[in-house]
Amino acid sequence: KAGVTQTPRYLIKTRGQQVTLSCSPISGHRSVSWYQQTPGQGLQFLFEYFSETQRNKGNFPGRFSGRQFSNSRSEMNVSTLELGDSALYLCASSLWGLTSTDTQYFGPGTRLTVL
Amino acid sequence: DQQVKQNSPSLSVQEGRISILNCDYTNSMFDYFLWYKKYPAEGPTFLISISSIKDKNEDGRFTVFLNKSAKHLSLHIVPSQPGDSAVYFCAASGKEYGNKLVFGAGTILRVKS
Repeated sequence: KAGVTQTPRYLIKTRGQQVTLSCSPISGHRSVSWYQQTPGQGLQFLFEYFSETQRNKGNFPGRFSGRQFSNSRSEMNVSTLELGDSALYLCASSLWGLTSTDTQYFGPGTRLTVL
Repeated sequence: DQQVKQNSPSLSVQEGRISILNCDYTNSMFDYFLWYKKYPAEGPTFLISISSIKDKNEDGRFTVFLNKSAKHLSLHIVPSQPGDSAVYFCAASGKEYGNKLVFGAGTILRVKS
């Protein structure tokens, strides 16, 4: 079974721009969660999508948004980029997501650098 | 306010010895705890988990201990191998908390051969 894939792997943007990141979950998985990893902060939960609906949301500003398509692929968008948005963005997929203790399988991440 | 804390940013251990990674949490609503391992340029991979109804879970060389009264869990790796060198993240979740995973900041483990 193919694992979770994320594209692109690396991105460089400038302040004020917007960016879209993509995540393809493991085949059959319906839940996709997004996390931000910054040095010293660990992984912080952004949001979870299940069957095209946002089911859970973390404490991030509205500039961070996402969506999920009928094939469970998910995209995350960050508008009006700030320097502090530089981070590794990880997505994780699971069968049933955050309603259960399903194991979450992570992708390799997208490294976003904001200049 | 960090609800899951890994107070040791790094740990260095000799090959063959025991590695003990520690994690503290503050939210008593957490009822499920996990450890993930992360290599550079890869996403975290699930290692082992424990439910709050247990105090120990073992999987091969990896054992997780949970002390609910102290709100503390630890991961023991015995014997440690050079391939165990990675960043280890502790995570917690709870039904009352929407089952969202709350991660610690991670501990870098270096196993010296």
